[in-house]
Parts: sequence; C-alpha cells; structure tokens
Amino acid sequence: EVQLVESGGGLVQPGGSLRLSCAASGFTFSDHYMDWVRQAPGKGLEWVGRTRNKVKSYTTEYAASVKGRSTISRDDSKNSLYLQMNSLKTEDTAVYYCVRVLLYCSGGNCHSTFDYWGQGTLVTVSS
Amino acid sequence: DIQMTQSPSSVSASVGDRVTITCRASQGISSWLAWYQQKPGKAPKLLIYGASSLQSGVPSRFSGSGSGTDFTLTISSLQPEDFATYYCQQSDSFPLTFGGGTKVEI
Repeated sequence: EVQLVESGGGLVQPGGSLRLSCAASGFTFSDHYMDWVRQAPGKGLEWVGRTRNKVKSYTTEYAASVKGRSTISRDDSKNSLYLQMNSLKTEDTAVYYCVRVLLYCSGGNCHSTFDYWGQGTLVTVSS
Repeated sequence: DIQMTQSPSSVSASVGDRVTITCRASQGISSWLAWYQQKPGKAPKLLIYGASSLQSGVPSRFSGSGSGTDFTLTISSLQPEDFATYYCQQSDSFPLTFGGGTKVEI
C-alpha cells in the first residue's frame, strides 16, 4: 500500500524557516518524480514544485510564488522527500501535501498527474 | 501561466442526478488534464487523467471528456459519497495549475 506521511509543519514567524519532510513507503520511491502541493485554509489547490528522479538528474521545478525561497530535495536511501522553506510569508500559510507523480504517455508525449497524496501538514506563518 | 476556469463554482444536486462540471483552459492543453475529488479535511483523490482515463478503483459513474481548451467531468448518477469539491488540473506546462474548484452539495 502506497503511503506518504508528511511532518514538520507548525507555527513560524514571518521571515522564518521551516523544513517539511515526507516519508514514503509501499512503492519504489527512487523511480518516481515527487511534488509538493499546498492549500491555504478554505482555498483551492496550488502546485508548489517538483523533484524528478535520478534518471532525470534530480532536476527541480518551482512555482513563482516560492521560487528563490524554497528548495525541494530527496533522499532515495531514506525514501524521503523534503521542502525547505525560507523567508516565510503569511501567504505561505497552508496545508502542504506530498504527492507522488504518475507519468503517462500518449502519441509519443509524456505528461504527469498526481496519483497518491499524503494527509498533509499544516504550516502557519504568523506573528 | 495557463489559467484554469471551472464552472459552476457550486452546484446543488440530489442523489441520482446527472452532474456536469466544466473546466476551461486559457490556452490549448491537448488532453493533459486531470480531475480530483476532495472531501472536507481530506487530501484530494485522483479521478480522471489524460482528460478521459479513469483512475484505477474509481467508479464508472465518473467520466471525463474534452480536449484543447474545454473539458467536462460528468457524474452519471450522483451518490451520497460524491458530495465533495472537484478540481481540474493541467499538466501541459509549468507551472502546473488547478481550477478554482466546484463544490457539489445537496
């Protein structure tokens, strides 16, 4: 059974830093791209960023709203995904989900979707 | 960035009703669209990917269609467990973006 368990959320002051972790099990973690998606209280879903796998040199992508302030990394030996967030703003307050990426292909093109989600961890940025 | 616009933002329906939700992309995204269901306090769940491919384990009353800029999610006969919020999401290009959500309520 695929499981994604996030941790590390909490209350942090504006300008502070936080590192979120996601422990994965039930699948070959190293094969998969992994993403972070967040959801502000009472709001919709916002994609945060991606780390690809070793085959793709662990390259990353970020949303403009977090680029330059956040770093996504992974440790395949520990089946773990991380999100380091710095210079936190009140608008970063959200539930952060760790998400497994499913790659699918059609007509020679491959794209992605999110097939498994963790339960989320709440980050509150407030003074 | 590709903007995803869902309509309606909410819909009132009854058990057994046919419900259709639409999603429009601000530019063509071929069939690179997914639909998710989210219940209060829970993580989203993948229903449809590739615009029309049903994710394993999802009931066949859910279906998706469309390509280019216009897409629909249809629930053929609404069940009590289907009352939730539904989101579309494009994976044509970064940044990946979601629609604003459609709440299906009684």
